[in-house]
Amino acid sequence: DTAVSQTPKYLVTQMGNDKSIKCEQNLGHDTMYWYKQDSKKFLKIMFSYNNKELIINETVPNRFSPKSPDKAHLNLHINSLELGDSAVYFCASSHGTVYEQYFGPGTRLTVT
Amino acid sequence: AQKVTQAQTEISVVEKEDVTLDCVYETRDTTYYLFWYKQPPSGELVFLIRRNSFDEQNEISGRYSWNFQKSTSSFNFTITASQVVDSAVYFCALSEDNFNKFYFGSGTKLNVKP
Repeated sequence: DTAVSQTPKYLVTQMGNDKSIKCEQNLGHDTMYWYKQDSKKFLKIMFSYNNKELIINETVPNRFSPKSPDKAHLNLHINSLELGDSAVYFCASSHGTVYEQYFGPGTRLTVT
Repeated sequence: AQKVTQAQTEISVVEKEDVTLDCVYETRDTTYYLFWYKQPPSGELVFLIRRNSFDEQNEISGRYSWNFQKSTSSFNFTITASQVVDSAVYFCALSEDNFNKFYFGSGTKLNVKP
């Protein structure tokens, strides 16, 4: 009964490929997020959805596209992967942006 | 300018020492929320505390305590009698209600040595 789950946990792929990361939460939250954590542990918010509507869209390359089929799911699709995309991607959820977020275990993406 | 500043990149202490992690924030919003999260070596991010801008009461939870001071825009976190299991990266975060924005600090890595 994991609260926020992500798949896959590890993703190794070559430059130029397209890949997706899936996220699901069973907490009944209405807001979900994607974060990128680089090798220096810096956490940067990428996107946030509230009730399937995009509410936060930080400066992220167009190659990154989030999709929220319903309130419990927020997927991240990345086109034309680049070496600089290598990072750990975290999904999170909360009851709105002013409440604490619960994070998934992270997906370590390595682009070779 | 950074919205959330954690000036201490890394701190090392010996077990049982007290340690304070600093967090300074910047916002024009009148209603905002502050958070602390812990990221142990295993990598998961764990929520520790949430505080709103209207509540300056300090909070204590076991060995953890938080000091919120609006006058200095600070939300510091103290661990009393530190333990090896406290070794982690600790993040301070800010949520601005009216601007729908959320910011994490750069984190402070705490090493607690036996």
